[in-house]
Amino acid sequence: NAGVTQTPKFRVLKTGQSMTLLCAQDMNHEYMYWYRQDPGMGLRLIHYSVGEGTTAKGEVPDGYNVSRLKKQNFLLGLESAAPSQTSVYFCASRKYTSGNTGELFFGEGSRLTVL
Amino acid sequence: ILNVEQSPQSLHVQEGDSTNFTCSFPSSNFYALHWYRWETAKSPEALFVMTLNGDEKKKGRISATLNTKEGYSYLYIKGSQPEDSATYLCAFRANNNDMRFGAGTRLTVKP
Repeated sequence: NAGVTQTPKFRVLKTGQSMTLLCAQDMNHEYMYWYRQDPGMGLRLIHYSVGEGTTAKGEVPDGYNVSRLKKQNFLLGLESAAPSQTSVYFCASRKYTSGNTGELFFGEGSRLTVL
Repeated sequence: ILNVEQSPQSLHVQEGDSTNFTCSFPSSNFYALHWYRWETAKSPEALFVMTLNGDEKKKGRISATLNTKEGYSYLYIKGSQPEDSATYLCAFRANNNDMRFGAGTRLTVKP
């Protein structure tokens, strides 16, 4: 059982380049999230999805786009990378439960450096 | 604005000490409060998910309480061990499924 898998694990970009991070989960979870982690700031929510074909903005959505065309995949895109987007990105998924008790399962993180 | 605050930012204790951290969150639109344990070079792992005012959860030496009316949760570790060294994160879930994390409390337990 792979859980939540992020690709790539590491990437170096030049300012202005574009790229896509892929998050895949094999647990049939309804909810998926993208966070970025910066020193001293914990995890900040970029975008999230409550189901296939739906996305919503989080706390820091500017400069990112997302898509959830299939239930198991949540893509995070950077159209024109900026040095401020240098960070470690974490994907997480959560199962719907009637008692709101579903926990987040995290991927291993993707380290992105923008020069 | 979904501000989630954690205190202290860091904590250094001796092996055997008991300790506790605080998570403060909005008292409106509450659905759930999560606690996660995050070891260096790993991914966060869930400790507790709490949904009801007055909830108390326990897992071994770690326990947590929840007060949704005043917007805070406490995490307690009894008899800290070096393997408890990690960053402890809390996350607030609002009714639109938005989940916001605090900045975490970094715990170091010295042998």
